[in-house]
Amino acid sequence: DTEVTQTPKHLVMGMTNKKSLKCEQHMGHRAMYWYKQKAKKPPELMFVYSYEKLSINESVPSRFSPECPNSSLLNLHLHALQPEDSALYLCASSQEGAGGSYIQYFGAGTRLSVL
Amino acid sequence: AQTVTQSQPEMSVQEAETVTLSCTYDTSESDYYLFWYKQPPSRQMILVIRQEAYKQQNATENRFSVNFQKAAKSFSLKISDSQLGDAAMYFCAYRSLLGDMRFGAGTRLTVKP
Repeated sequence: DTEVTQTPKHLVMGMTNKKSLKCEQHMGHRAMYWYKQKAKKPPELMFVYSYEKLSINESVPSRFSPECPNSSLLNLHLHALQPEDSALYLCASSQEGAGGSYIQYFGAGTRLSVL
Repeated sequence: AQTVTQSQPEMSVQEAETVTLSCTYDTSESDYYLFWYKQPPSRQMILVIRQEAYKQQNATENRFSVNFQKAAKSFSLKISDSQLGDAAMYFCAYRSLLGDMRFGAGTRLTVKP
């Protein structure tokens, strides 16, 4: 099983709303990632969690707040977003360390629209 | 910072023919990983093939193979016996040992019946 599940699939929110994106994997991977992908562009790395600790933050605005409650779950909390934040948000996970493949497995994404 | 360049925004291939997608990258690291992912209209990113930089042997996965030239920092993807289902956006990606992954701009592949 190489499945990464993201919910919701679609989300529409106003600029004053607070919402959360959820990502779940049960492959025993200890690294999880958030990416942002604008239309016709490649994914851009936002955050990396390694063993439930934030290891990389690519200078993402504070209106995006990641959380890794346990090794299987990754959340992205959204608050006071701007219309330019509308994009596809992708989650991925990978097996790191000795014997790890370092292959990132991606979820199907959440299509976010900010009005 | 590492950069990944895909110089072919679009490519087209006849069904059953062979096509090669180009990718170059820039890095000062000696050890890293390279990947090709495909993203069909369904938007799911799907791994096509992986190459470890310390391995000289080119990776192959069924109809997909790479030409990895470490000194030239080149990592091209060859698709043999192209099928209609191969039509997608293809992204070349560089992953450092620290975990950050950078994608190229992508090549949109069209397969003609």
